[in-house]
Amino acid sequence: DGGITQSPKYLFRKEGQNVTLSCEQNLNHDAMYWYRQDPGQGLRLIYYSQIVNDFQKGDIAEGYSVSREKKESFPLTVTSAQKNPTAFYLCASSRDRGNIQYFGAGTRLSVL
Amino acid sequence: EDQVTQSPEALRLQEGESSSLNCSYTVSGLRGLFWYRQDPGKGPEFLFTLYSAGEEKEKERLKATLTKKESFLHITAPKPEDSATYLCAVPPESGGSYIPTFGRGTSLIVHP
Repeated sequence: DGGITQSPKYLFRKEGQNVTLSCEQNLNHDAMYWYRQDPGQGLRLIYYSQIVNDFQKGDIAEGYSVSREKKESFPLTVTSAQKNPTAFYLCASSRDRGNIQYFGAGTRLSVL
Repeated sequence: EDQVTQSPEALRLQEGESSSLNCSYTVSGLRGLFWYRQDPGKGPEFLFTLYSAGEEKEKERLKATLTKKESFLHITAPKPEDSATYLCAVPPESGGSYIPTFGRGTSLIVHP
């Protein structure tokens, strides 16, 4: 079955460390998204990509970076510049413009 | 700018007590609406897409309806397993961005 795979499920970051969250999809979707979810704040868009080798900043891109070298993969790096990284991170994809029907299971990032 | 507001923020029901969740939106033109279910610690699961006013869709105890200004998710005779956060979202304007607008969700708890 097609879907989105996020890994790891849990991740711990030490101060000053960069960490990378993986997102892989086998749905053949062009568009992929990264969201951050904090309690009571809903989904906030970090980055999105409409097509391979292209991506745009969302509302809260500072302290994060992404790449889109393959259609199937859209990894998110949380850099040491992100001072409050503790959150639940969700990857999503869509076949049509903004019509998101698939999310990954999420990665919970915590700071040691 | 599109805006999506969900109410109530939280809802507690007794098993079998039917109720409705509301998703109201301010958009330049009705372009459809998505409903999702999210269990704690998991990614959102797509439930329905509604495209035009008057449209209704059903899945088990859930029925989603759509007007020009709002959507309702009716839950008939809920069971404890219906407990989850329910999110709604509006797709972006056609020809524009790839970014849907999400509401903050309604947290539903159904007590046995």
